[in-house]
Amino acid sequence: DVKVTQSSRYLVKRTGEKVFLECVQDMDHENMFWYRQDPGLGLRLIYFSYDVKMKEKGDIPEGYSVSREKKERFSLILESASTNQTSMYLCASSGREQFFGPGTRLTVL
Amino acid sequence: AQKITQTQPGMFVQEKEAVTLDCTYDTSDPSYGLFWYKQPSSGEMIFLIYQGSYDQQNATEGRYSLNFQKARKSANLVISASQLGDSAMYFCAMIGSYNTDKLIFGTGTRLQVFP
Repeated sequence: DVKVTQSSRYLVKRTGEKVFLECVQDMDHENMFWYRQDPGLGLRLIYFSYDVKMKEKGDIPEGYSVSREKKERFSLILESASTNQTSMYLCASSGREQFFGPGTRLTVL
Repeated sequence: AQKITQTQPGMFVQEKEAVTLDCTYDTSDPSYGLFWYKQPSSGEMIFLIYQGSYDQQNATEGRYSLNFQKARKSANLVISASQLGDSAMYFCAMIGSYNTDKLIFGTGTRLQVFP
């Protein structure tokens, strides 16, 4: 079974903190993705990566950065968390279909 | 630009009945794929079904079928014999031929199955 894991299910941070969200997949997929999910807006793509050290901006990259040092790991970084980044964050990796991690619900106070 | 539209924010269905969740899409890509995902209250996204734009037949996976009408640009999900465990958010998504596996999602439909 494909497995995509995320480092935390729930996270609470304060405004201005640096936040790392980790995602690991075990299927040797080249493509990995970070989305945020907000009510009424569906899933929106933040960043994606199609190879180690390669990244591309998605639809809403502002306030985020990513790191892909190893094929299996794709990290999302909030350099200085803000309250409008309170959201559910979903990581995915893909062959033909995208396999999703369980999500991290981040609250920024 | 590609776009997915799900016009039903919420749907109710009685157990054992069939239900159709609507999805329309817009794309100029000559070839594309359409997906449906289920998201239960636990939060994880579960892949349900895939339809390629050149597939001759509508996709089916168990109780799920995709009513693909290319000329109308619609890809509705049909769930037959609904079960209580089908209660969840359902997302329609599209991938284009030029988009490096990027998925475009709709806003979702919340399905509630009642006894």
